[in-house]
Amino acid sequence: DQQVKQNSPSLSVQEGRISILNCDYTNSMFDYFLWYKKYPAEGPTFLISISSIKDKNEDGRFTVFLNKSAKHLSLHIVPSQPGDSAVYFCAARREGVYGNKLVFGAGTILRVKS
Amino acid sequence: DAGITQSPRHKVTETGTPVTLRCHQTENHRYMYWYRQDPGHGLRLIHYSYGVKDTDKGEVSDGYSVSRSKTEDFLLTLESATSSQTSVYFCAILRGQGYNEQFFGPGTRLTVL
Repeated sequence: DQQVKQNSPSLSVQEGRISILNCDYTNSMFDYFLWYKKYPAEGPTFLISISSIKDKNEDGRFTVFLNKSAKHLSLHIVPSQPGDSAVYFCAARREGVYGNKLVFGAGTILRVKS
Repeated sequence: DAGITQSPRHKVTETGTPVTLRCHQTENHRYMYWYRQDPGHGLRLIHYSYGVKDTDKGEVSDGYSVSRSKTEDFLLTLESATSSQTSVYFCAILRGQGYNEQFFGPGTRLTVL
C-alpha cells in the first residue's frame, strides 16, 4: 500500500514557466514533508520541506504548499530553468519509537525545455 | 556535502554470494539509513540505525542485515545475493535544523547476475 503517491511519472515544462509537481499521502500521522531532487548517478539532494502545522514554505524559486485536509502537497518552481531537469521525490516523515522514518513517493521526472 | 561516502560505488556479483556495502560518515551523526531505489518505487527503507549497535528494520528488510560497531560506519550485508536485489543503494544520515532532513550519499549500483 503506497502511503505517498506521485501520480505523474513525468512533466515537461518550457524554460521560464512554472513547474508544479504534486504529491498525495494517506497517513494522517505524517508530521513533516520534504522534497528531494535527484540527478542521474548521484544521491538525492534535499530541496525544501514543510511542517504539518504550516501550509506554505518558500525558498527562492521553490515553494511547497500543504493542504492537510486534502492530504496533498505540491512543489512550485518559478521560473523553471533547464538545470531543474531531474527526478523529484516527495517524502513524508513518520515519528517512531527509535527515530523518524521517511516514506518516499515513486518520483516525477521533470524536463525543462529551453 | 554531508560528509557521506559509500563503497564500493559499483559492484557486479553472482547469485548466492555474500555482499557487504559500506557507508562512512565524518560528522558523528547518530542516525543512519539504508535505502534501495528501484524504478516505480522511489526509495524504500531497508534498515536504519539510531546509535552504535542499535538498529531497526525498514519496509524491505528481508534478505538484508546491518551492523554498526562504530558511529562513523554503517554496513549493509546481503547474506546470499539474489537477482531481485539488483538495485541502487543509498545511505543517508539525519541532520539539519531540528534534525528533520536526511542527507544522502552518492549511491552504490549493485548488479546480481
